[in-house]
Amino acid sequence: GIQVEQSPPDLILQEGANSTLRCNFSDSVNNLQWFHQNPWGQLINLFYIPSGTKQNGRLSATTVATERYSLLYISSSQTTDSGVYFCAVERLGNQFYFGTGTSLTVIP
Amino acid sequence: DTEVTQTPKHLVMGMTNKKSLKCEQHMGHRAMYWYKQKAKKPPELMFVYSYEKLSINESVPSRFSPECPNSSLLNLHLHALQPEDSALYLCASRRPGRVNEQYFGPGTRLTVT
Repeated sequence: GIQVEQSPPDLILQEGANSTLRCNFSDSVNNLQWFHQNPWGQLINLFYIPSGTKQNGRLSATTVATERYSLLYISSSQTTDSGVYFCAVERLGNQFYFGTGTSLTVIP
Repeated sequence: DTEVTQTPKHLVMGMTNKKSLKCEQHMGHRAMYWYKQKAKKPPELMFVYSYEKLSINESVPSRFSPECPNSSLLNLHLHALQPEDSALYLCASRRPGRVNEQYFGPGTRLTVT
């Protein structure tokens, strides 16, 4: 299967700081999503971004499909941004693979 | 509306019990998924239903039995589980077509004693 690696695995930020999370994948993909998993386990959709760049408030994402990576930018971080961030890729026909995750802690 | 609901929220069962997890969506999505997530690990795909037919089974043990009775409902029947099956079970759904995102339910936290 496809390998999906995220970095860094853990990140601690002061409130107000900016950060970049990375998702590398080992093969070409059809689709890519970024999720935030809150402490209760709910996966919240952040971006659907198989290619290109998107922005939503303090968050933005870029996927360079030809180079097999995606980046998630968080600006002016808040304590509510804490949690685990996952990317998930789809190769063929509904088969999704999640990345290894980045655990983010934002301290006041 | 992008809501996927799952019941129950929590479930504790013994190794000889039979129980079922339920997932429901009313968004007209025709692909539905079960994932299993162990603590501090990413979700792992278990099953995919497409247009109410099982299209992917990721070599899941037969003690997990999925069912899709209609386009809105997805069940996961559990029987003779092991303590290592304790995990968060997540359901997701997706519109037909290649270019669409998954939406996840809140999950069922299962403990097998």
